[in-house]
Amino acid sequence: EAQVTQNPRYLITVTGKKLTVTCSQNMNHEYMSWYRQDPGLGLRQIYYSMNVEVTDKGDVPEGYKVSRKEKRNFPLILESPSPNQTSLYFCASSSPAVGTNYEQYFGPGTRLTVT
Amino acid sequence: AQSVTQPDIHITVSEGASLELRCNYSYGATPYLFWYVQSPGQGLQLLLKYFSGDTLVQGIKGFEAEFKRSQSSFNLRKPSVHWSDAAEYFCAVRAIYNFNKFYFGSGTKLNVKP
Repeated sequence: EAQVTQNPRYLITVTGKKLTVTCSQNMNHEYMSWYRQDPGLGLRQIYYSMNVEVTDKGDVPEGYKVSRKEKRNFPLILESPSPNQTSLYFCASSSPAVGTNYEQYFGPGTRLTVT
Repeated sequence: AQSVTQPDIHITVSEGASLELRCNYSYGATPYLFWYVQSPGQGLQLLLKYFSGDTLVQGIKGFEAEFKRSQSSFNLRKPSVHWSDAAEYFCAVRAIYNFNKFYFGSGTKLNVKP
C-alpha cells in the first residue's frame, strides 16, 4: 500500500531535549516536505527536499533541521525544542513526474507537546 | 507574496442542504489548486485538484470545485451534505514557478446539523 508513515504519532517532551520525528514514504517520490498545523493558521511549510541531499527552507524553518540521506526518509529534527513548537506536524511526499499534477500525499501526523 | 484565503472559519449546514466553501488565492499566475479534507484526529485527504482545462472539477465524496480566474477563486461545493462530511477543509495552492512551495488556507470547519 502506498503510504507516508510518521513516528511517533504522539510525543510529549521537555524544553531543550533534542528529538527527531521520522518520516518515510514507499512511493519512490523525489519531493518531501514537512508542515506544522496550528489552529487558525492552517498548514505552514517548514522544510522541503527536492531529492537526496537537496533541502531548502519553507516559510517557518526556525528551530528545525532536516536531512535527506535516503530517498524514502526525511526526518525532522528539533535540536532544542521550545513550547512554541508545540503543534501538529505533517510529512508529505509527491512526485514531480508529468501527470501527477504534483499532488502531495500526507502522513497521519505527529502531535508534539513541549512543556 | 502568495497567499490563500478561506474567509469562513466555521460553517454550519443542515444535513441534506447544499454547501459552498470559499477559497481565494493571491498569485501572479494560475497555480495548481487543491482541496483537502481533515477529519478529526486524521491526516489530510485530497478531495480534488485543478491545474488546467475544464474549470469545473469533480472530486471524491460528491464534491466539486469551480475555478474562476477573474475572481482568483476556487470554491468547493456539494449539493447535499451528509453528516459524515463534518470535518475541516483546506484549500491549497502549489506555485507553478516554484513547485516546491505549497501554501494552505487557514481552514474552514464544517458542522452538520441533523
